[in-house]
Amino acid sequence: NAGVTQTPKFRILKIGQSMTLQCAQDMNHNYMYWYRQDPGMGLKLIYYSVGAGITDKGEVPNGYNVSRSTTEDFPLRLELAAPSQTSVYFCASSWDYLNEQFFGPGTRLTVL
Amino acid sequence: GENVEQHPSTLSVQEGDSAVIKCTYSDSASNYFPWYKQELGKRPQLIIDIRSNVGEKKDQRIAVTLNKTAKHFSLHITETQPEDSAVYFCAASQVGNEKLTFGTGTRLTIIP
Repeated sequence: NAGVTQTPKFRILKIGQSMTLQCAQDMNHNYMYWYRQDPGMGLKLIYYSVGAGITDKGEVPNGYNVSRSTTEDFPLRLELAAPSQTSVYFCASSWDYLNEQFFGPGTRLTVL
Repeated sequence: GENVEQHPSTLSVQEGDSAVIKCTYSDSASNYFPWYKQELGKRPQLIIDIRSNVGEKKDQRIAVTLNKTAKHFSLHITETQPEDSAVYFCAASQVGNEKLTFGTGTRLTIIP
């Protein structure tokens, strides 16, 4: 089992560019989450999904979009990147919200 | 919604001493309380969790206690070692709220 995988590991964007952060899990988990973690700070929930075709906003959804067409994949789309989106992005998955969340290795994004 | 407060934000202890991190939550319906450890540059990983039908849970040098009346739970690490240095996050979740609410984190430093 690869667990939760994320690509890319690092990325530098220019202001106004767009990109998609990829996340995949091979544990057949229904629940998937996207968090951002600013330097020295905690985890803020961006979006989450409770199953294929179902997504919902978290604490900080502005500037992001998600889709969940399969159980395995949960990509995060950044449109019109801004310096405030400079952060480390973690994807996570779990059986449900009352069990362990397994995190991916993270994507470090810098917007200049 | 749920609000989780975590204290202290930083904690330094001598190697071999004990460390205690405390969290309070606001919603009395919360019933799942995990603790995550994040080493520098790494992903968060679950170290222990407790459910509302249990008052205490231990796993070797780590223990978690839960006081539902007072709405707080604590992480206890005994006989601390250098590898315990990390950021620790508490979290809370409940039936009907399909996501975890994380605390702001505690940076624990073990002094050799």
